[in-house]
Amino acid sequence: KNEVEQSPQNLTAQEGEFITINCSYSVGISALHWLQQHPGGGIVSLFMLSSGKKKHGRLIATINIQEKHSSLHITASHPRDSAVYICAVNPGAQKLVFGQGTRLTINP
Amino acid sequence: KAGVTQTPRYLIKTRGQQVTLSCSPISGHRSVSWYQQTPGQGLQFLFEYFSETQRNKGNFPGRFSGRQFSNSRSEMNVSTLELGDSALYLCASSLAGVSDTQYFGPGTRLTVL
Repeated sequence: KNEVEQSPQNLTAQEGEFITINCSYSVGISALHWLQQHPGGGIVSLFMLSSGKKKHGRLIATINIQEKHSSLHITASHPRDSAVYICAVNPGAQKLVFGQGTRLTINP
Repeated sequence: KAGVTQTPRYLIKTRGQQVTLSCSPISGHRSVSWYQQTPGQGLQFLFEYFSETQRNKGNFPGRFSGRQFSNSRSEMNVSTLELGDSALYLCASSLAGVSDTQYFGPGTRLTVL
């Protein structure tokens, strides 16, 4: 079993829908990152969390340390949100362990 | 501030050759991490450097090595290339390490023939 599991692996939705992507991990962590990767490869960091909740525009990220679970929410989704969303955890020491990614497609 | 830059952006090599990739971090960032991304394995951690010291290394063979210079620029080297080394190699910089926000470069796409 992977240390970091994301669900769903693929998600297709209509413009305007509320989107939730989940990330579960099996190890103790110092931090959790949500990353966005567009076709072509460029990766952008969306959030870095160690507790609680963060909001940036239409994106919200939450983490529950006790349950070893994090969610990324997108409100009022738009076709430009189409990308691969990747969860990564820092299990102590200077390394990151990545989930397999969630491919999101938002149709107009 | 300029972002993270990686050179070259694309590289084609043959089996058995070696390759050196370069990463220039954001000014003031002292941590540089390297990652390999393949369709089969996804993103995997290679190593992390801070102030010229390697602080951690991922589960990769000794053919993969790296270093960091006093200006925080980093290089990674892969010797005796294998077909399976074909991948997108990404570096990321941050102020203090992987528990800080990571700023990724555009990547170097390596093809091994």
